[in-house]
Amino acid sequence: QSALTQPPSASGSPGQSVTISCTGTSSDVGGYNYVSWYQQHPGKAPKLMIFDVSKRPSGVPDRFSGSKSGNMASLTVSGLRAEDEAVYYCSSYAGSNNVLFGGGTKLTVL
Amino acid sequence: EVQLVESGGDLVQPGRSLRLSCAASGFIFGDYAMHWVRQPPGKGLEWVSGISWNGDGIGYADSVKGRFTISRDNALYLQMNSLRPEDTAFYYCAKDLTPLIGLTGFDLWGQGTLVTVSS
Repeated sequence: QSALTQPPSASGSPGQSVTISCTGTSSDVGGYNYVSWYQQHPGKAPKLMIFDVSKRPSGVPDRFSGSKSGNMASLTVSGLRAEDEAVYYCSSYAGSNNVLFGGGTKLTVL
Repeated sequence: EVQLVESGGDLVQPGRSLRLSCAASGFIFGDYAMHWVRQPPGKGLEWVSGISWNGDGIGYADSVKGRFTISRDNALYLQMNSLRPEDTAFYYCAKDLTPLIGLTGFDLWGQGTLVTVSS
């Protein structure tokens, strides 16, 4: 059980798009379409932004989108806004009732 | 109101035990898998354990296997034994979108309870 790999930081200017990657293996990200993404602001609990690779829960803006290719999943935030500045975590089912998280990516809106 | 409320966090000495609880309200608790996720202060999230809607499916992170036990009845619990300093973290209770472990995402989180393991 190794954590999924995310870049520690990402940044973009308001209105721009930014993509955060999440790399796993064929035993987790590549093996299942059960990748989710979470947003966490300082001092707050995580919030589900994307599930099942690309589905958005009710209330999440369509500026947030997810995709997957092979062992790598991605979260794209379009039309960046100041309130998007947060830490983003990916997660994947890893078989046998196990779940993995990525190390987190701090998104800075310049 | 739909919410999860954790309790039981405390300062404990290495080697001791602690039991966390998570009370759910506003949804049919028995219809969903539930999880514990921890976060050391200033660090990232780590999935700890999950249990399916009926308790038949249970999983643990390697880091806690053999020391922690998850269970549920009308609430969710985490029995933590042989605690280590590296177990120090905020422990979140989280609701799965489905009855089975990990097959989607966690759509409801509590505010967390702090466990500090130190002599």
